Amino acid sequence: GQNIDQPTEMTATEGAIVQINCTYQTSGFNGLFWYQQHAGEAPTFLSYNVLDGLEEKGRFSSFLSRSKGYSYLLLKELQMKDSASYLCAVYKAAGNKLTFGGGTRVLVKP
Amino acid sequence: EAGVTQSPTHLIKTSAQQATLRCSPISGHTSVYWYQQALGLGLQFLLWYDEGEERNRGNFPPRFSGRQFPNYSSELNVNALELEDSALYLCASSRTRDREYNEQFFGPGTRLTVL
Repeated sequence: GQNIDQPTEMTATEGAIVQINCTYQTSGFNGLFWYQQHAGEAPTFLSYNVLDGLEEKGRFSSFLSRSKGYSYLLLKELQMKDSASYLCAVYKAAGNKLTFGGGTRVLVKP
Repeated sequence: EAGVTQSPTHLIKTSAQQATLRCSPISGHTSVYWYQQALGLGLQFLLWYDEGEERNRGNFPPRFSGRQFPNYSSELNVNALELEDSALYLCASSRTRDREYNEQFFGPGTRLTVL
């Protein structure tokens, strides 16, 4: 089966750092995606991790530990426009399938 | 480059009716995916089409079906609509899988409301 957990909601202050955790228990794993979804809009790609470790892309970084079934997305220097839902998704090559967690709504306050 | 487009934006139906949702992928993409995003729930994988064939299917009843046309656009059909089918239906597209993964690009979605 597939079980992907992430917090439902987080609140942070503009300029601060927020870390969104994602834990997964899945049958089959080839990589982990993070997507950003603003209310009423399509999800947009943020990162894809295959190997253990940290991948940095500007203000956003993503970490993966395959042995622990754990990933996090780190958002630095938060801006108001970062208020959105962040979706963690496990990719399974067999069947070319993405399985999403419930998403974490991040609210950035001034 | 135009993104993934979906139509209609909103669709209102009553129980037992049928709904048809449409998706046009990014030019050059041959794979189309359908997802359901119900209120308070994450995206649930529905269907994957590639080169006109259904390649994978999520845990949804057979009344959810679709097809992919020769121009790679796709339709999702939902028969015998039920109230719990009310959701945002997202379409995504990607290139044909020629490496470990191909990034999926999402469309803006069709909001289906079943009354």
